[in-house]
Amino acid sequence: DVKVTQSSRYLVKRTGEKVFLECVQDMDHENMFWYRQDPGLGLRLIYFSYDVKMKEKGDIPEGYSVSREKKERFSLILESASTNQTSMYLCASGLAGYNEQFFGPGTRLTVL
Amino acid sequence: SQQGEEDPQALSIQEGENATMNCSYKTSINNLQWYRQNSGRGLVHLILIRSNEREKHSGRLRVTLDTSKKSSSLLITASRAADTASYFCATDAGGNKLVFGAGTILRVKS
Repeated sequence: DVKVTQSSRYLVKRTGEKVFLECVQDMDHENMFWYRQDPGLGLRLIYFSYDVKMKEKGDIPEGYSVSREKKERFSLILESASTNQTSMYLCASGLAGYNEQFFGPGTRLTVL
Repeated sequence: SQQGEEDPQALSIQEGENATMNCSYKTSINNLQWYRQNSGRGLVHLILIRSNEREKHSGRLRVTLDTSKKSSSLLITASRAADTASYFCATDAGGNKLVFGAGTILRVKS
């Protein structure tokens, strides 16, 4: 069965902290994605990766960076967390050439 | 950039009734997908319809696509309380990326 896991379901951090959100997929998918979800705005793409060590900016990359050292793992980094980064963060993966994406359960991040 | 826009924003129906949600988009697409999200969870893929298809069925789901009007609809027949969730349309933006709408919140009352 397809599985995407995220390191935490809930996370509380302080302003200025460096935050790591980790995502792991076990389906050997080439593509991985990070989204944030806010009420009324739907899902917005932060970054995506189509191969190990490859990354591309999405629609809202400011304040975030990513790392993909292994095919199965895609990390989202908030270099210096701010209160406007309080949100639900969703990771997804998918096969190259196919659009269907498989989502993790999400991490609800609160920055105080 | 938000391409898909769902309508209505929220829908409340009785169990057994049909639920219809609509999605409009702005640019040409290769395909359109619908996803479901249960409260506080990740999204689950429901159905994909390609730009050269007009209608597609999967169980109690029926999706239509009108590329001339740049719109799609999702019909859930004989709804159940377990169908209570948010529903999102997503359009293929090229390069395996998807652009999601803001979603429709469906509540099915038992």
